Amino acid sequence: GAVVSQHPSRVICKSGTSVKIECRSLDFQATTMFWYRQFPKQSLMLMATSNEGSKATYEQGVEKDKFLINHASLTLSTLTVTSAHPEDSSFYICSAGSPYGYTFGSGTRLTVV
Amino acid sequence: AQSVAQPEDQVNVAEGNPLTVKCTYSVSGNPYLFWYVQYPNRGLQFLLKYITGDNLVKGSYGFEAEFNKSQTSFHLKKPSALVSDSALYFCAVRDGGMGSSNTGKLIFGQGTTLQVKP
Repeated sequence: GAVVSQHPSRVICKSGTSVKIECRSLDFQATTMFWYRQFPKQSLMLMATSNEGSKATYEQGVEKDKFLINHASLTLSTLTVTSAHPEDSSFYICSAGSPYGYTFGSGTRLTVV
Repeated sequence: AQSVAQPEDQVNVAEGNPLTVKCTYSVSGNPYLFWYVQYPNRGLQFLLKYITGDNLVKGSYGFEAEFNKSQTSFHLKKPSALVSDSALYFCAVRDGGMGSSNTGKLIFGQGTTLQVKP
């Protein structure tokens, strides 16, 4: 079946640095990539939607200059958290939309210290 | 606007007993409904979906869900719970009026923790 590989699974970074999270669709083309953020024992909050070759569409309240999304190809999308702060610590999950359905990555646990 | 409600934060059930995890939704058009399961520090695993057709949908690991249009509900059920079913369950909806492709955004409920005790 369709698989989305998300890396890294865990990352710890210092406050003020940037972190890049990658999501790669294996053996299929991800027409659309969704990026979610999840706080402990809470729901998934959609941050943005990206289509290959286009600018991402951000949900209300999400800072586009802080959470940079790149979807340069049909198999790769990246989320860069710029100038990270402790309040950015969270679990980030990507989801690829394709004819196979919605396929989720395994998530990235970001801790900013 | 689309929305999903999962009224129970946690559901407790004994192993071998039937389980139900509740979900109600609101969309302007025809709903596409989904159930996902999440284990700690992992992504979401697909269980089942309703797009059209038979109101009773059968999915992975013995789970099923019934679409009830009049009650705008899509409750997840399993006849006999296993301890290994203990996890966080999410109901999600998208507006089917956006077409049949999987490029419309999913809106998730707040999640229900299922605890199955031996």
